[in-house]
Amino acid sequence: AQKVTQAQTEISVVEKEDVTLDCVYETRDTTYYLFWYKQPPSGELVFLIRRNSFDEQNEISGRYSWNFQKSTSSFNFTITASQVVDSAVYFCALSIHLVVRSGSEKLVFGKGTKLTVNP
Amino acid sequence: ETGVTQSPTHLIKTRGQQVTLRCSSQSGHNTVSWYQQALGQGPQFIFQYYREEENGRGNFPPRFSGLQFPNYSSELNVNALELDDSALYLCASSSNSGDRAHNEQFFGPGTRLTVL
Repeated sequence: AQKVTQAQTEISVVEKEDVTLDCVYETRDTTYYLFWYKQPPSGELVFLIRRNSFDEQNEISGRYSWNFQKSTSSFNFTITASQVVDSAVYFCALSIHLVVRSGSEKLVFGKGTKLTVNP
Repeated sequence: ETGVTQSPTHLIKTRGQQVTLRCSSQSGHNTVSWYQQALGQGPQFIFQYYREEENGRGNFPPRFSGLQFPNYSSELNVNALELDDSALYLCASSSNSGDRAHNEQFFGPGTRLTVL
């Protein structure tokens, strides 16, 4: 099976706390991409990061950081010093190759984690 | 903003009716993918169009159909609407050059469909 599991349905923190969102994936592809998206109440999916399966370096972007561990098939997302504006639903996604045409792919999403940051 | 637009923003239909949703892809993109997001769930892949041809399909019945036009904009048509079709419908555009390294999908704001 090729799927993404986000075990945390909802997380609630107080502003300035650090929070980690978990993502575990399954795939039979040797080359794949992992993503994190943010979905505010407006509904639009906001792209946060795309990571190649061959690149296991952790990445930091401002208050955001990502920990990719191929050995445990995990791609966790940490927000440091959370803010109220971080409140949203966060989705982890895995790209799956579409056989029909070389280079084409679809995204498989987890069910999302709803993060609420309280002032 | 991604440059991907969708219309309409909201839509209310009754069971059994037909609906058409529209998506304009980002400039330079030749591929459009459609996703259905039910309440409280992650988006699910419906199908993808590349240069006016269906390029892959998820687990959706044939009453979900699509079109892509020469300018790469796309339509999603749903016939015989059911209550469970109520969802946010997202389209994503990408530039399929044959290299997955450059096929990032950019999402539009979505169309929220309510079926009564």
